[in-house]
Amino acid sequence: QVQLQESGPGLVKASETLSLTCTVSGGSIRSYYWSWIRQPPGKGLEWIGYIYYSGSTNYNPSLKSRVTISADTSKNQFSLKLTSVTATDTAVYYCAGDIVVAVGATRGWFDPWGQGTLVTVSS
Amino acid sequence: DIQMTQSPSSLSASVGDRVTITCRASQSIGTYLNWYQQKPGEAPKVLIYAASTLQSGVPSRFRGSESGTDFTLTISSLQPEDFATYYCQQSYTTPYTFGQGTKLEIK
Repeated sequence: QVQLQESGPGLVKASETLSLTCTVSGGSIRSYYWSWIRQPPGKGLEWIGYIYYSGSTNYNPSLKSRVTISADTSKNQFSLKLTSVTATDTAVYYCAGDIVVAVGATRGWFDPWGQGTLVTVSS
Repeated sequence: DIQMTQSPSSLSASVGDRVTITCRASQSIGTYLNWYQQKPGEAPKVLIYAASTLQSGVPSRFRGSESGTDFTLTISSLQPEDFATYYCQQSYTTPYTFGQGTKLEIK
């Protein structure tokens, strides 16, 4: 059973870069498209983007200018960097997987999910 | 972006009630619609995918249906563990988008 664990600082200063890592265990990083999804306190879910182990990425246009998602297959990890953060970036950040079913095709829903990590942007 | 509009945003109901949550897509998305349940402090969990297919292990009291760009999640007989927030999500195209959520509370 694939499990995910987010890690990284819980507090980031405004204008700096938010960096998080998701470690994949119990399965291969090559078997999924890996996404980052965030949820501001008390609010809904926002998809940030995904990466495939090959390095192929797709970002939400609303964040594209500030987001980089990368993968390290040797460590079974993928990472998120979000630059120039503001208070509106305060959220629980989840990593999640969408399993590959054919070349270039996935199931289309997120399972598994990490437990989430709260990142607060301070001024 | 495809907008997903859920209604209602909140709902009070009792154990044993039948409840319906609706999600409307701003354009055609076929059956690329998933439903998630989220409890406080937890990650979302997929209940239904492809509009009407029950995820393994999910009780049969949950049902999903589709009519054009309108999608419905029905819980036939509410159980205490069903009180949570529910989200729809389209996977037709990126950026993937979610509904704003429906909070199901105990009456």
